[in-house]
This record gives sequence, C-alpha cells and structure tokens, in this order.
Amino acid sequence: AQSVTQLGSHVSVSEGALVLLRCNYSSSVPPYLFWYVQYPNQGLQLLLKYTSAATLVKGINGFEAEFKKSETSFHLTKPSAHMSDAAEYFCAVTSKGGQNFVFGPGTRLSVLP
Amino acid sequence: GAVVSQHPSRVICKSGTSVKIECRSLDFQATTMFWYRQFPKQSLMLMATSNEGSKATYEQGVEKDKFLINHASLTLSTLTVTSAHPEDSSFYICSAQEDPKNIQYFGAGTRLSVL
Repeated sequence: AQSVTQLGSHVSVSEGALVLLRCNYSSSVPPYLFWYVQYPNQGLQLLLKYTSAATLVKGINGFEAEFKKSETSFHLTKPSAHMSDAAEYFCAVTSKGGQNFVFGPGTRLSVLP
Repeated sequence: GAVVSQHPSRVICKSGTSVKIECRSLDFQATTMFWYRQFPKQSLMLMATSNEGSKATYEQGVEKDKFLINHASLTLSTLTVTSAHPEDSSFYICSAQEDPKNIQYFGAGTRLSVL
C-alpha cells in the first residue's frame, strides 16, 4: 500500500521568499512521485515528476523537488515566490506500471505582498 | 504536454435528472482514465478507474449504478450521474493516463450543482 502525507495544510510566504512544501510518502515498491497544482475551480496541472531518474527534478514555473529515499521525502521548493503561485498543491505517489495515484491532502499556498 | 478536455465545466440540474460528463484525451491515447470527486478544501477522492473496452473498476463505497462510466474509445470516457440529488453536488475531475509514461493528465473539472 502507498500513502502520502503533506505537512502543513496551509503555508504562507511573502512574495520573493523561499517556498517549501513538504511531502513524505510510504511505498513498499520503488515510487513514482508527482507534484500537481490546482487553481480555484480548475483541474490539476502537473508541475513535475520523479520516475527513478535524477533525484533532483525541475518542473515548470521555477519549481523543483528532490527525491530523498532515506527520508522518504519529495519536498517541493521554489527560490522566490510570486503572487501567481498562490494555489493548492498536491503530492501524489504511484509505482511503475501502477494504475492508481494516491494523493496527499494538499497544501494551500498563500503569497503575501 | 498532453491535453485532457473535460466538458461541461459547470452544470446545474434539477433533482432526479441525469447528467453526463465527458473526458477526452486530445493528443494521446489513454487506455486508462480515472474519475475523481473533490469536496471543498479537500483532496481528490478516486471514484473509479475506467479501462477502454471493459467495465470500470469502482472504489469501495461508490455506487456503480449511480455513477455510470463508459470508456468506449481510447480517447473518450464518460461519467453519467443518474437521478442526481443535491448530495451529488460536487467537483468532478477526470484524468487520463499516458502510457507507458505512467503520468496522469487532468481535465479542468466539472462543477455539478443539483437543485
């Protein structure tokens, strides 16, 4: 079985500050990990993915995440927050060939001027 | 990137009517599509997995006669909410899996309001 936890249901940062959204996973098989972003009343947009290649993954909009097997983590970071980054962020886990994605509960990011 | 189109984006209907939601993969073939339900300020709840040419697999607690899923082609899956009631009001999101990349691409969602 797989599971995902996201520490912090709501994170607030100032514009220009570092963004750090935490994701920890549990998986009995090598995981594939994803970060998605959801803007109000919209579907999910893929930010980045880890599928067993490089452990530091770069995504769209300046986001990146690092897979750390020893810590079972896949935290999302961005060096400098922008107002347009305010949204809900979901971490998800699956496995190679796996059909089901397991989503975390989400973290709402607020960016303060 | 791959595009998934979901239609309609919003629907308002009377209690007792049926509503059909379409999910299309526009530039790739998807043997597997997923239907999720999302309650306000919550994560996505998987309702069912739709496989092209076969019956959908429903998650525990999801009524298959209430939520009819048809995946007749490699680019189209439909979800029909039958005899809708106010408690069915929610945000429904579909996704399509791009094989063999094992990535899910999501539609924009459908907000269903049942009066």
